Amino acid sequence: ETGVTQTPRHLVMGMTNKKSLKCEQHLGHNAMYWYKQSAKKPLELMFVYSLEERVENNSVPSRFSPECPNSSHLFLHLHTLQPEDSALYLCASSQVLSIGQGARDNEQFFGPGTRLTVL
Amino acid sequence: AQSVTQLGSHVSVSEGALVLLRCNYSSSVPPYLFWYVQYPNQGLQLLLKYTSAATLVKGINGFEAEFKKSETSFHLTKPSAHMSDAAEYFCAVSFGGYQKVTFGTGTKLQVIP
Repeated sequence: ETGVTQTPRHLVMGMTNKKSLKCEQHLGHNAMYWYKQSAKKPLELMFVYSLEERVENNSVPSRFSPECPNSSHLFLHLHTLQPEDSALYLCASSQVLSIGQGARDNEQFFGPGTRLTVL
Repeated sequence: AQSVTQLGSHVSVSEGALVLLRCNYSSSVPPYLFWYVQYPNQGLQLLLKYTSAATLVKGINGFEAEFKKSETSFHLTKPSAHMSDAAEYFCAVSFGGYQKVTFGTGTKLQVIP
């Protein structure tokens, strides 16, 4: 596997279900992101993890729960979602500050996304 | 605060014609600037980026963009459109490091045969 992978690619769930989205990056990066992409809306940054610590949480409802067990894996746990949560969920990774190298430009590498439909 | 504005949510060009997608940024300090492309049902793929080296940046698939500080612009161009260029294009700005990347609202490019 290369780059950033996401599973599943498609998910249909009822409002009472619990499911998880998985993201894995094979690039040796130290930061990972969850974005939500809805039709006719700008890309929304949901969560940022850097060095496995959550550094940003953009007022996301608690029905979305992220988990970053190590620098290569990122999960998004879903429970009691609403139909308006239907969207494409994108994972990304980047190499941010590196010891001895200073700040990087934060170029982000994206996975193919999970198309989520909530019934 | 940083922001980007993409003029035109939809752009149509004929095959073989010039492609011009506009992006203006707002930033109090020199930023990093990116153009990404998204094909249907796929993630975003980097086309090119500006990181304060050359102001004219060449990317993949024949695209290029020019950083113009005086106009706060970073427009994306391609001399001759191909059918395979039909996709959505996003401009983005960042200050680097831990600073987040802010994306524009996207421009859908349609290429007419």
